[in-house]
Amino acid sequence: AQSVAQPEDQVNVAEGNPLTVKCTYSVSGNPYLFWYVQYPNRGLQFLLKYITGDNLVKGSYGFEAEFNKSQTSFHLKKPSALVSDSALYFCAVRDNTNAGKSTFGDGTTLTVKP
Amino acid sequence: NAGVTQTPKFQVLKTGQSMTLQCAQDMNHNSMYWYRQDPGMGLRLIYYSASEGTTDKGEVPNGYNVSRLNKREFSLRLESAAPSQTSVYFCASSESDRVAYGYTFGSGTRLTVV
Repeated sequence: AQSVAQPEDQVNVAEGNPLTVKCTYSVSGNPYLFWYVQYPNRGLQFLLKYITGDNLVKGSYGFEAEFNKSQTSFHLKKPSALVSDSALYFCAVRDNTNAGKSTFGDGTTLTVKP
Repeated sequence: NAGVTQTPKFQVLKTGQSMTLQCAQDMNHNSMYWYRQDPGMGLRLIYYSASEGTTDKGEVPNGYNVSRLNKREFSLRLESAAPSQTSVYFCASSESDRVAYGYTFGSGTRLTVV
């Protein structure tokens, strides 16, 4: 069975500093990985995905993620954090063998302080 | 605006009451999903529909039923609500059950069972 782990419940950074939100995964075949963001009282919004190709993928709002197959990781990054980036972030892996179901991590709350 | 629409946004039920959560998408997506979100537990899949005319159980289907009414609509029914079903429910859709596609989420239904 596939699984996703987000080892940090909370990440705090100062505005202007780089941020990293960590994600590790476990799948039996090729990994298909996604990041979503959830703002308060809203649904999740798609940020970026890794399907194949370059290990560094770029997404919305200046975010990027680095796929590392040997470490089974897919960390979300941004070079310079904004206060408006404060939200709940979810990593997800999609199953290529069973109707494309996604398994989500428990989420990481990112707080960017001015 | 194109997207996924969920109704109602909020609902309070008494134990034993029934209700149906509605979900509709206008993006001509084939696959639709129902998740519940509980604090510290991420999103858990309740039911999904890979395509019109098919539905399957997810991780936590007990106490729920679904109907894929047509390609646009996917409803979730609670036949006899229990306090353990207090949660935020999200409907999501995807162009396909192929793993290359991300999900589009609705804004959620916050359900309280007393």
